[in-house]
Amino acid sequence: DTAVSQTPKYLVTQMGNDKSIKCEQNLGHDTMYWYKQDSKKFLKIMFSYNNKELIINETVPNRFSPKSPDKAHLNLHINSLELGDSAVYFCASSQDREFSYEQYFGPGTRLTVT
Amino acid sequence: AQTVTQSQPEMSVQEAETVTLSCTYDTSENNYYLFWYKQPPSRQMILVIRQEAYKQQNATENRFSVNFQKAAKSFSLKISDSQLGDTAMYFCAFMKERNNDMRFGAGTRLTVKP
Repeated sequence: DTAVSQTPKYLVTQMGNDKSIKCEQNLGHDTMYWYKQDSKKFLKIMFSYNNKELIINETVPNRFSPKSPDKAHLNLHINSLELGDSAVYFCASSQDREFSYEQYFGPGTRLTVT
Repeated sequence: AQTVTQSQPEMSVQEAETVTLSCTYDTSENNYYLFWYKQPPSRQMILVIRQEAYKQQNATENRFSVNFQKAAKSFSLKISDSQLGDTAMYFCAFMKERNNDMRFGAGTRLTVKP
């Protein structure tokens, strides 16, 4: 069974479009995250949600918005896509309990903006 | 702000030999967590090993072990009996206690040669 899943795995779209990436975790974790990995493989956290509250919000453009319909899902919406948004986006989750705080990652979504 | 430095962009090792990947970090915190993640060509981020700063004993997971030097703020990963499947990007990561903001290093690309 997949612990953290993302759809789609690949997304090719044109500049100016609006797109969403979905994430689901079946681990019963408390917190979910979105990371961006650029072309140089650098990983940077974008958002995290804990019990439907945004607790980390890095300096990302407001064109990016996380939406959490329930504890098991954290979707990423991107408006007015730009060339610089091309990257791999990872969803992750964690339990946030003592001795159990590591983050588990999804398979990533490669977004290509043309 | 916490920073994580991996000074070796690329490394290679012969199959069955031992290799050590370096990681240093900068923090004023006393309690925190350190991680090594592996990202093979499949793109999946896989947790290799974790270390709690309050533990003096170095963590070990099968062929993977760390050398945690708290005073020096150093957290190196040793891979023993390297296998072809160990070929991957390896990321060192830092997280403050009770804070989900995980910071990653730039990664080290390890190639295991037959």
